[in-house]
Amino acid sequence: DAGITQSPRHKVTETGTPVTLRCHQTENHRYMYWYRQDPGHGLRLIHYSYGVKDTDKGEVSDGYSVSRSKTEDFLLTLESATSSQTSVYFCAINRDRNNEQFFGPGTRLTVL
Amino acid sequence: DAKTTQPTSMDCAEGRAANLPCNHSTISGNEYVYWYRQIHSQGPQYIIHGLKNNETNEMASLIITEDRKSSTLILPHATLRDTAVYYCIVRGAGGTSYGKLTFGQGTILTVHP
Repeated sequence: DAGITQSPRHKVTETGTPVTLRCHQTENHRYMYWYRQDPGHGLRLIHYSYGVKDTDKGEVSDGYSVSRSKTEDFLLTLESATSSQTSVYFCAINRDRNNEQFFGPGTRLTVL
Repeated sequence: DAKTTQPTSMDCAEGRAANLPCNHSTISGNEYVYWYRQIHSQGPQYIIHGLKNNETNEMASLIITEDRKSSTLILPHATLRDTAVYYCIVRGAGGTSYGKLTFGQGTILTVHP
């Protein structure tokens, strides 16, 4: 499973509250990604990181921020959660071999 | 990254080969074809990728046409556990495209007994 964990696995929160999701890897890979998955949209890239303190936006970055202060952790923050951010969030790492991505188990977030 | 077109759904009998097509007529010369699958509620799983030659690994085979405008993923002996959504993705290998995957709707493959 490439040593990727996500926490929490499930969360229910209220509109307007801040939420932070954590992705942790044990393999010291440089590239990490956050995706969201909604019915009818497949997976969409939110933000990605290409090294410590190096991040960039994906196609659906509005309302999200990220931080990567150490190689193993990539944090996704919803500063003020909205109901439209109810989704399943997947973290991924990019292995150098074959440039294949390995995905974490996902976090199901519900914003009421 | 080039856009891909896949059938919405396909069925396959257990033990038979599953052939999943993908059209990518706008693919450029340095873009690879990747296949991932997603089994219910799990994160996507890498299957295989290729540039222009046919590829095979322990999971599947990838056949890319000579003009590279389409490809076929082959699961040689489908099992019930292969029931999943299969995504065909085309992307560049480096630069600003590095690692960034664009997922479409994929093909829902149902393997039945």
